[in-house]
Amino acid sequence: DTEVTQTPKHLVMGMTNKKSLKCEQHMGHRAMYWYKQKAKKPPELMFVYSYEKLSINESVPSRFSPECPNSSLLNLHLHALQPEDSALYLCASSQQGAYGYTFGSGTRLTVV
Amino acid sequence: KQEVTQIPAALSVPEGENLVLNCSFTDSAIYNLQWFRQDPGKGLTSLLLIQSSQREQTSGRLNASLDKSSGRSTLYIAASQPGDSATYLCAVYHGSGNTGKLIFGQGTTLQVKP
Repeated sequence: DTEVTQTPKHLVMGMTNKKSLKCEQHMGHRAMYWYKQKAKKPPELMFVYSYEKLSINESVPSRFSPECPNSSLLNLHLHALQPEDSALYLCASSQQGAYGYTFGSGTRLTVV
Repeated sequence: KQEVTQIPAALSVPEGENLVLNCSFTDSAIYNLQWFRQDPGKGLTSLLLIQSSQREQTSGRLNASLDKSSGRSTLYIAASQPGDSATYLCAVYHGSGNTGKLIFGQGTTLQVKP
């Protein structure tokens, strides 16, 4: 299995809702990442988990809360989002950065 | 601070042409460079990964080169097809182990006309 699976593919949520994005990989990768991508822009790093511990938080607002329950799963909990948070959210994994990244197909999030 | 630049930002070519996409980076202390393809609204598909000690990698009609000392990489696409239409992103891994970061260029949007 050489894939990173993200669910759901699309999500519409209100500004008072709580929702979660899920990411799963079974490649034995020990680093997992959340990226945010706005239209016609490159992906922007949000969080890095290395060996299930949060190693990088790129000053992301607290309304985004990551969680890594085990080495195969990565969640992003969303609460009280703003319309400007609407974007494509990408998950990625790597054995180590030196061996390249594998990205998922993303979750298209719309905040209304 | 590492910066990655891709030229051109957009490219439109007729089917069958050979083409070159350019990527440059400001700090040569990279671990590797990875080329990705992204279709509209979709995730990133890895095309080629070049380690810092390598000069080039090939996959089918794609060939990527790396000149670390000059801070440049090129992606060569041979005999382009309409199905090659997409945005191509280059990214450098700057750092070591799992504590580094993947830094992206702005991308080149390619349109191949039938």
